[in-house]
Amino acid sequence: AQTVTQSQPEMSVQEAETVTLSCTYDTSESDYYLFWYKQPPSRQMILVIRQEAYKQQNATENRFSVNFQKAAKSFSLKISDSQLGDAAMYFCASSTSGTYKYIFGTGTRLKVLA
Amino acid sequence: GAGVSQSPSNKVTEKGKDVELRCDPISGHTALYWYRQRLGQGLEFLIYFQGNSAPDKSGLPSDRFSAERTGESVSTLTIQRTQQEDSAVYLCASSSRTGGAPTEAFFGQGTRLTVV
Repeated sequence: AQTVTQSQPEMSVQEAETVTLSCTYDTSESDYYLFWYKQPPSRQMILVIRQEAYKQQNATENRFSVNFQKAAKSFSLKISDSQLGDAAMYFCASSTSGTYKYIFGTGTRLKVLA
Repeated sequence: GAGVSQSPSNKVTEKGKDVELRCDPISGHTALYWYRQRLGQGLEFLIYFQGNSAPDKSGLPSDRFSAERTGESVSTLTIQRTQQEDSAVYLCASSSRTGGAPTEAFFGQGTRLTVV
């Protein structure tokens, strides 16, 4: 079974600073994919970043990067130079080539302080 | 359309009534998912359709919940005899496969269901 755990219900960061959101997962599959989604107050889920488990290199998208520790089953999201528009709920998710079912964590609410 | 479309965007219903929620996925996407999101909570998996395969219904919370999908197009989630605990946002998503790998799941804006 797939599980995704986010242990930080809420985080705060000062504008322009860096923040890291934590995520751990568990799966019996060897071929899986990890995602971070952002959900602003509009409810629209937006993909932030995607990581293939078979790739050792950490994914990066502009100010967003991940720290993928496969042995520890950890997949944290780092947001650099935080902006007010980054304030949202962030969900970690996993999916596998076998089931294609996306399993989500409980989310972390990020507040950005001006 | 360009994205996943859900209707209605908001629905208020009386306890005990049946409701139908609709999802139009992105054209060509073979996979379609329904999730439930209670206020301030994460996404709870409900059901997953993949092409013509039998759907994965493992997340449906009770037999009051059912869903259908016609081919690779529209899906309808039906909740019978609604209860107050069914109040939530119901999110639909669709995705495609690229070389066998799960790609990004694209989400609709959800239907906010309120049972009074």
